[in-house]
Amino acid sequence: DTGVSQDPRHKITKRGQNVTFRCDPISEHNRLYWYRQTLGQGPEFLTYFQNEAQLEKSRLLSDRFSAERPKGSFSTLEIQRTEQGDSAMYLCASSLTRRPFFGQGTRLTVV
Amino acid sequence: AQTVTQSQPEMSVQEAETVTLSCTYDTSESDYYLFWYKQPPSRQMILVIRQEAYKQQNATENRFSVNFQKAAKSFSLKISDSQLGDAAMYFCAYRRGTGTASKLTFGTGTRLQVTL
Repeated sequence: DTGVSQDPRHKITKRGQNVTFRCDPISEHNRLYWYRQTLGQGPEFLTYFQNEAQLEKSRLLSDRFSAERPKGSFSTLEIQRTEQGDSAMYLCASSLTRRPFFGQGTRLTVV
Repeated sequence: AQTVTQSQPEMSVQEAETVTLSCTYDTSESDYYLFWYKQPPSRQMILVIRQEAYKQQNATENRFSVNFQKAAKSFSLKISDSQLGDAAMYFCAYRRGTGTASKLTFGTGTRLQVTL
């Protein structure tokens, strides 16, 4: 499978715990995006990388959230001290041109 | 800021019939792209069709076509000969045209049901 891969697919965590998600983009795609999708809503932009540089961050990305893309390949999104409001689907997308391809997402449930 | 509005939370269509999903957007940019994405249950979002704002001709992809009204800032999706596999959430999305890295702004989606 040469698509965007996200791991894990599902994560249940207790409030206050830290979680980390991983995204493997399509090979050679230099642009990588993270979005958050809550129930009944469309995806909302969180952050964007071009190669290893994080070029844009949404105001939605509080200081509990951090994203990295070392070496410009895979990316991780970490949420510290999770809150119930963090429960959502976290989507990763990658692109080489103007067409992004999405992964299947990581569904986070904070209990 | 750009906004995308989908005013139909749910739509239903009979198999083989035609359905139109509505989308309006607000922007002050002149160069932008519009997209329709399909998100089947528990599956990844896939691109259905794309329209460049500078093109007057409406985009088509097999059974999918758009009605792009730039002055009215309207971008509807028409699905012809609907199939059971078309059942999904459909999201309208906007991105600026400048540069190649601009993020997508999505609407809230329309859930399409396809009945026999």
